[in-house]
Amino acid sequence: AQTVTQSQPEMSVQEAETVTLSCTYDTSESDYYLFWYKQPPSRQMILVIRQEAYKQQNATENRFSVNFQKAAKSFSLKISDSQLGDAAMYFCAYSPYQGGSEKLVFGKGTKLTVNP
Amino acid sequence: DVKVTQSSRYLVKRTGEKVFLECVQDMDHENMFWYRQDPGLGLRLIYFSYDVKMKEKGDIPEGYSVSREKKERFSLILESASTNQTSMYLCASSFQGPSSTDTQYFGPGTRLTVL
Repeated sequence: AQTVTQSQPEMSVQEAETVTLSCTYDTSESDYYLFWYKQPPSRQMILVIRQEAYKQQNATENRFSVNFQKAAKSFSLKISDSQLGDAAMYFCAYSPYQGGSEKLVFGKGTKLTVNP
Repeated sequence: DVKVTQSSRYLVKRTGEKVFLECVQDMDHENMFWYRQDPGLGLRLIYFSYDVKMKEKGDIPEGYSVSREKKERFSLILESASTNQTSMYLCASSFQGPSSTDTQYFGPGTRLTVL
């Protein structure tokens, strides 16, 4: 079974600094998708960024970027110029390509605190 | 914008009660999911549905059932609530892409307390 591991239960960063959240996963599949979701306190979970495994180029979304290393099965999230609004739980998630009813496997999450 | 709504943000029930959690999405998504979220455990899939009247068990289906009579609505049922079902319940939905995994959109969650 696929598993997703987030080894950092909590992280903190100073406002305007850069922070990297770690994620590793285990799968025997060659085609799959990886996601980072953000859950602010008492607010809805939203997608931050996604990566298709067949793409070698790392995905970026404004201040958010990933370092995808397929051979190492590593998928870290880098947040640049951290803002107070980035404080949240961050979940790494994996989905196999199933061409239909895709299911997500989530890590246990990393709580990010942004200090002013 | 995609909107996924859940019937209650907070719910308090007694042990043994039958509990219904409702989820509605407005984007004509084929897939709908129910997760529970517990501190230190992340999100765990309870059930999902890829079509009306179709359902599949997730990782932790014991003690739960689901119903999907209409495409936009997916209900989670606790037949006889127990204290270990106290948790945050999240609903999500997504398109059923023919060649890709589409994003799952989440509702705000229902925090259920079983006394």
